[in-house]
Amino acid sequence: NAGVMQNPRHLVRRRGQEARLRCSPVKGHSHVYWYRQLPEEGLKFMVYLQKENIIDESGMPKERFSAEFPKEGPSILRIQQVVRGDSAAYFCASSPLDRPNTEAFFGQGTRLTVV
Amino acid sequence: AQSVTQPDIHITVSEGASLELRCNYSYGATPYLFWYVQSPGQGLQLLLKYFSGDTLVQGIKGFEAEFKRSQSSFNLRKPSVHWSDAAEYFCAVGGAGNMLTFGGGTRLMVKP
Repeated sequence: NAGVMQNPRHLVRRRGQEARLRCSPVKGHSHVYWYRQLPEEGLKFMVYLQKENIIDESGMPKERFSAEFPKEGPSILRIQQVVRGDSAAYFCASSPLDRPNTEAFFGQGTRLTVV
Repeated sequence: AQSVTQPDIHITVSEGASLELRCNYSYGATPYLFWYVQSPGQGLQLLLKYFSGDTLVQGIKGFEAEFKRSQSSFNLRKPSVHWSDAAEYFCAVGGAGNMLTFGGGTRLMVKP
């Protein structure tokens, strides 16, 4: 009964490098959400995916950021050419259903530091 | 568009004292409301949720929240705070596709 697993827990990247964040949802959950938490702020929605489909990416920056949730394997949030402003905690959540009254289970997050 | 406001950024209470954390929301339809707690360096844990029915909702760790439609509020309460309750608390509203909109959070500190 593993919950949402995110790795790595901490990631340090130099400016201009790529960051790849992984999220394995709760077994059987087919809906994955990524949120970003900037220092001293609440979580902001980035993207919502189902298996092999991006459903809503309205919260994701148009450039350098991409997300996928392949048929097999974890969901990946990819940040290309990272900048200092990308430093944040990135949280993944999963749910079994696409309904607003369904609990989303959160992972422990990946804390990205760009130096 | 939905939004959530948590007016208090920091709150300090003495151990054993009562606690109320405020949350106001804006949402065009029936709100689905949540309270999460985040300990330092950790993820979010669901404390309680409201979908419909009884407006007083009981959660884990002795927390409760009351939904007041007329005030667009969903305040979190606990009658007696323990030192282990020190954490950051987030109120959230759920919308289409189960995406959550979070408030900015309230950091709770507990004095011995």
